[in-house]
Amino acid sequence: GAVVSQHPSRVICKSGTSVKIECRSLDFQATTMFWYRQFPKQSLMLMATSNEGSKATYEQGVEKDKFLINHASLTLSTLTVTSAHPEDSSFYICSARDQIQGYEQYFGPGTRLTVT
Amino acid sequence: GNSVTQMEGPVTLSEEAFLTINCTYTATGYPSLFWYVQYPGEGLQLLLKATKADDKGSNKGFEATYRKETTSFHLEKGSVQVSDSAVYFCALFNPNFNKFYFGSGTKLNVKP
Repeated sequence: GAVVSQHPSRVICKSGTSVKIECRSLDFQATTMFWYRQFPKQSLMLMATSNEGSKATYEQGVEKDKFLINHASLTLSTLTVTSAHPEDSSFYICSARDQIQGYEQYFGPGTRLTVT
Repeated sequence: GNSVTQMEGPVTLSEEAFLTINCTYTATGYPSLFWYVQYPGEGLQLLLKATKADDKGSNKGFEATYRKETTSFHLEKGSVQVSDSAVYFCALFNPNFNKFYFGSGTKLNVKP
């Protein structure tokens, strides 16, 4: 089946530093990847839609200069949280869509970011 | 607009009890409907889906039927197990917007 990986699974960083999270589709090509943020006991909030080779589309209220998204290849998208602050601490989940399978999304296992 | 509403949890059941988690939606056009499950500390896993009205999705004993007349996609299972304890998310995908919309999630606790 389609597998999506994320790295790292957990990261702790100091306030003011930047953190990069990778999202990879392991056995399929993903022209579109999505980045979500999940707060404790809450649903997923879509942050941005990432299309291979083009600029990401950010949802309203998401700072594009703070959450940098790059989708350089059909199997890799990265989310960089720049100048992280404690309020950026959250669970970040990516998903990838397999064009051949239609609209179904496959989710990564998530990355727990803690900013101290 | 597009939105998903699902029943608030937590839902606590004894093993082998019958499960229903209600989900209703609003959408323009012809969305596809999904149920995802999230175990503690993990990402979401697709549980089942339905792509058009009257379709029934099923997997691992779970079922849900796409009811356009009631705009619902309720999740059911005849006999739950302790291992079913997780958070369940109802979601719709609207191709007109190229976007998923998620419900708030319902936590299920199954006691032995």
